[in-house]
This record gives sequence, structure tokens and C-alpha cells, in this order.
Amino acid sequence: KAGVTQTPRYLIKTRGQQVTLSCSPISGHRSVSWYQQTPGQGLQFLFEYFSETQRNKGNFPGRFSGRQFSNSRSEMNVSTLELGDSALYLCASSLVTSGGLYNEQFFGPGTRLTVL
Amino acid sequence: AQKITQTQPGMFVQEKEAVTLDCTYDTSDQSYGLFWYKQPSSGEMIFLIYQGSYDEQNATEGRYSLNFQKARKSANLVISASQLGDSAMYFCAMRGDNDMRFGAGTRLTVKP
Repeated sequence: KAGVTQTPRYLIKTRGQQVTLSCSPISGHRSVSWYQQTPGQGLQFLFEYFSETQRNKGNFPGRFSGRQFSNSRSEMNVSTLELGDSALYLCASSLVTSGGLYNEQFFGPGTRLTVL
Repeated sequence: AQKITQTQPGMFVQEKEAVTLDCTYDTSDQSYGLFWYKQPSSGEMIFLIYQGSYDEQNATEGRYSLNFQKARKSANLVISASQLGDSAMYFCAMRGDNDMRFGAGTRLTVKP
């Protein structure tokens, strides 16, 4: 079974630009979460989507947004990029069963975004 | 608010020995899940082990076991028979009602 894929793997942008990152979950997984990882702040939760609906959102400004499509693929968008947005952006998918929310998340390789 | 604490920024262990990585958490949620992930230098997060808050037995996955002490709110990871390939960052995480929180991580170095 193919794992979580993220594209692109590396991205260089300049301040003020916008960027869209893509995530394809493991087949059959309907929950997709996004995280930002930086040396200073560690791993921080951005948002989670399930069945095309945003279920949870972390403490990030409105410049960060996302969406999920009917095939469970997800995109996240960052508008008006700032230098501090340079980070590794990780996507994770999970198989949410009737047992609840507590299934393991499988992570993709990440997209490393550099803002100049 | 949920909080995950990993007090060991770095740990060293001799190859073939066991090592315990500490994790404590704070939550008001009644139900939650605890996870451990490994992140090698390549950057990918690798799921290791999961423990549900209502699970009475400690989780085990091969050389990994989770020492779950609910009353103390701790979920320590035990790696038995360390291997050189175990050198990596290790993150403890908790999923509650609203989101998933990660600790700051512990960098484990296995010495030959």
C-alpha cells in the first residue's frame, strides 16, 4: 500500500508570495492533518480535515488555510508569506474508525518551504 | 490546554542496551491517545507505538514498549536492545478531543 505523498518536496518562495502544498493520504484514509515543524517551535498542529470538512484548527493566523477534496487529497495554502513561515510542513493521514479518534497517524515526507 | 513534556533533550545509549525516553502529559480530556514517533535525519515521521487512555495493558511493538502510568500522566518509551539505526529524534504526542500535540522531542544517539 502506498504511503502518504506530499508535493512538492522542496520549495523556495519570496516574502509576500503565496504557496500551495499538496498531500495525498494513504488509500482509504479519510482524515488528513497538517503540521508545521521549525527548530524553534517544534511540531505545531495546523488543521485537520475529515470528509472534506475542517474538523480542528490550530493556533495559526488566517493566512494559513486548507481544504480537502472528495478523494481525501488535501491542500494547504499560505498567503502573503513571511520569513517565519520557513519550515518543514508535514501531512499525516489516519484511518478513523467507529472506535473514535485515536488511530495512529502516518506521515508523509514533508515539504520543506524556504521563504527568502 | 493539552501539554506534552519531554525533559530529555538528548540521550546516549550503548548499542544493545535498553533505554527509556520520558514523556509526561497534561490534559483534561477523559479520552485520549498517546503516540511515539521517530524522526530520522531524513525528516520523515515514523509511527512507533500507540496507547489509548483506557487501555489497561502497556502497549508493545517489537522492541518498543510504552510504560503507561495514567495516574502519574506519564507515557515513557522503552527501546530494548538498541541498534545504531535507532539514532534519531523521538517525539511523544497526545491526541485529545481537539488536536494532536507533540513534545519537544528527545535526540537519541546510539553508540557502538
